[in-house]
Amino acid sequence: DGGITQSPKYLFRKEGQNVTLSCEQNLNHDAMYWYRQDPGQGLRLIYYSQIVNDFQKGDIAEGYSVSREKKESFPLTVTSAQKNPTAFYLCASSLSGTSGMGEQFFGPGTRLTVL
Amino acid sequence: GDSVTQMEGPVTLSEEAFLTINCTYTATGYPSLFWYVQYPGEGLQLLLKATKADDKGSNKGFEATYRKETTSFHLEKGSVQVSDSAVYFCALKNSGYALNFGKGTSLLVTP
Repeated sequence: DGGITQSPKYLFRKEGQNVTLSCEQNLNHDAMYWYRQDPGQGLRLIYYSQIVNDFQKGDIAEGYSVSREKKESFPLTVTSAQKNPTAFYLCASSLSGTSGMGEQFFGPGTRLTVL
Repeated sequence: GDSVTQMEGPVTLSEEAFLTINCTYTATGYPSLFWYVQYPGEGLQLLLKATKADDKGSNKGFEATYRKETTSFHLEKGSVQVSDSAVYFCALKNSGYALNFGKGTSLLVTP
């Protein structure tokens, strides 16, 4: 079955630690995205990548970093510079970044809690 | 810039009631429009979509029509079930790369 996997489902971090959230897709999609979800605020874009070895900042990139070394993988690192990292993080992918209908497919999410 | 506005929730309905969740948008050009559904603790699932004016998206009894003249994409279902309880997000995709989401509307259906 094709889809997007995220791990871990739950993650706890102490203040001052960096943590990395995993996102893998086997849909052969070119574009991948990271969103942050907070209660009552909808989804906000952190980073996106249209192709391997290329990525761009979204609306709330400060305190986060990403890499795209393989088409299937787009890990997100939450650094200690992120002031309020407790949130639900969603990874998504689409066939391409700009062409086509643009529908995105989402993973099950990772809930990050800072202790 | 582009934006999506959804009616605020929570919306509480009895089983078999009629559902409408309002969604209006602001965008230049001709965006694609989407409804996503999120069940508790899960990611988002695409519910339906429409790419041009007067298109009607439909899935699992849900429908929405792309109304260019009123810049709206309201979600409707004739008879809701308890299993429809979830958060519903309206979203648009324009010439940029990412989806632009509304804040979500929580729906609770009671037996």
